[in-house]
Amino acid sequence: ELKVEQNPLFLSMQEGKNYTIYCNYSTTSDRLYWYRQDPGKSLESLFVLLSNGAVKQEGRLMASLDTKARLSTLHITAAVHDLSATYFCAVDPDSWGKLQFGAGTQVVVTP
Amino acid sequence: NAGVTQTPKFQVLKTGQSMTLQCAQDMNHEYMSWYRQDPGMGLRLIHYSVGAGITDQGEVPNGYNVSRSTTEDFPLRLLSAAPSQTSVYFCASTQISGTGEHEQFFGPGTRLTVL
Repeated sequence: ELKVEQNPLFLSMQEGKNYTIYCNYSTTSDRLYWYRQDPGKSLESLFVLLSNGAVKQEGRLMASLDTKARLSTLHITAAVHDLSATYFCAVDPDSWGKLQFGAGTQVVVTP
Repeated sequence: NAGVTQTPKFQVLKTGQSMTLQCAQDMNHEYMSWYRQDPGMGLRLIHYSVGAGITDQGEVPNGYNVSRSTTEDFPLRLLSAAPSQTSVYFCASTQISGTGEHEQFFGPGTRLTVL
């Protein structure tokens, strides 16, 4: 059974500091996704990572993928309040758009 | 493009009632999916489709039916609603890319409560 585990599940951040969210998955997957979800809203795509060693950055967010370790990380640099949200990772092992999601990491950024 | 649209946005049902959640996309995507999201959990796949006339079950299909008569529409039917089906339902379509970055487009969601 495919498992996708995120940790931590809750992350209280101080503004200006750096943090990392981890996403482990139990089987091979062609791609790994990161999404952001604000309360009561839909999912917003952040990154799609395809290959081993892939690194993508957008603003204060940087995602990386290690397919050998089956691990992806989402690094937040100098956290700001606007980054408060829930972040999900998901894998697509069959490449058919059938995503398997992690439980999500709720991020709260405080001054 | 309107993207992925879902109706209704909110719905309250009584146990045993049936209803259909509508999903439509105007991007000509072949792949479409239905997910449910429960508190403290990620999204779980209910059903998916790789094209008109082709559907299959996901992780949590019990109590739900789907059909795909057109590329644009992918309705989800609740046969006899149960309180355990109280959830937020998201429809998604997948843009197949030659680069391999198959981007998912999610609808705004339908918040369903079953009493």
